[in-house]
Amino acid sequence: AQSVTQPDIHITVSEGASLELRCNYSYGATPYLFWYVQSPGQGLQLLLKYFSGDTLVQGIKGFEAEFKRSQSSFNLRKPSVHWSDAAEYFCAVSGTYKYIFGTGTRLKVLA
Amino acid sequence: DTAVSQTPKYLVTQMGNDKSIKCEQNLGHDTMYWYKQDSKKFLKIMFSYNNKELIINETVPNRFSPKSPDKAHLNLHINSLELGDSAVYFCASSPGTSGRDQETQYFGPGTRLLVL
Repeated sequence: AQSVTQPDIHITVSEGASLELRCNYSYGATPYLFWYVQSPGQGLQLLLKYFSGDTLVQGIKGFEAEFKRSQSSFNLRKPSVHWSDAAEYFCAVSGTYKYIFGTGTRLKVLA
Repeated sequence: DTAVSQTPKYLVTQMGNDKSIKCEQNLGHDTMYWYKQDSKKFLKIMFSYNNKELIINETVPNRFSPKSPDKAHLNLHINSLELGDSAVYFCASSPGTSGRDQETQYFGPGTRLLVL
């Protein structure tokens, strides 16, 4: 069955520190993978996506993600976190006519 | 211009009432979706429509009835509202249903429904 796992429910980092949010997927074929961010009370904004090719993809707001087929992972990274990055982050895989989302990781940024 | 818009943004109502949420996209996309986000932030597909035709109904109670009058609109009508319907409902659209950029979904701002 198709599924997405985000093992970390909450992550707290200090402003300026690096960040890595984990995402593991289960999908039979080549996955299309996405990261979205949801700020408090807001909708979902697309950060980046992976379809094929270069396994390191760049997104908006300085985020990047690396696709590792051998580990079934698509982890999101940022070298230096800003206070405005505090939000909920969702990993998703594109299934048949729908997205399958992970449960989300809430990021807290300490000043 | 807002790409995917939803109205209303907030909806507070009593149990047993009937309510509708409207969604419009101006992206020229063929496919639209409704997702439900529960109190734990979990997002789950409810319906998918392609060219006004229903292609996914993810075991949603039949109190929920989506309607797509044209490709740019997908409305959600809910009958006999229950406490458990309290959630955030997101509309989304994508260019199509298969292959690369066809599957990138763009989300509306959400409608926060509270049933008392």
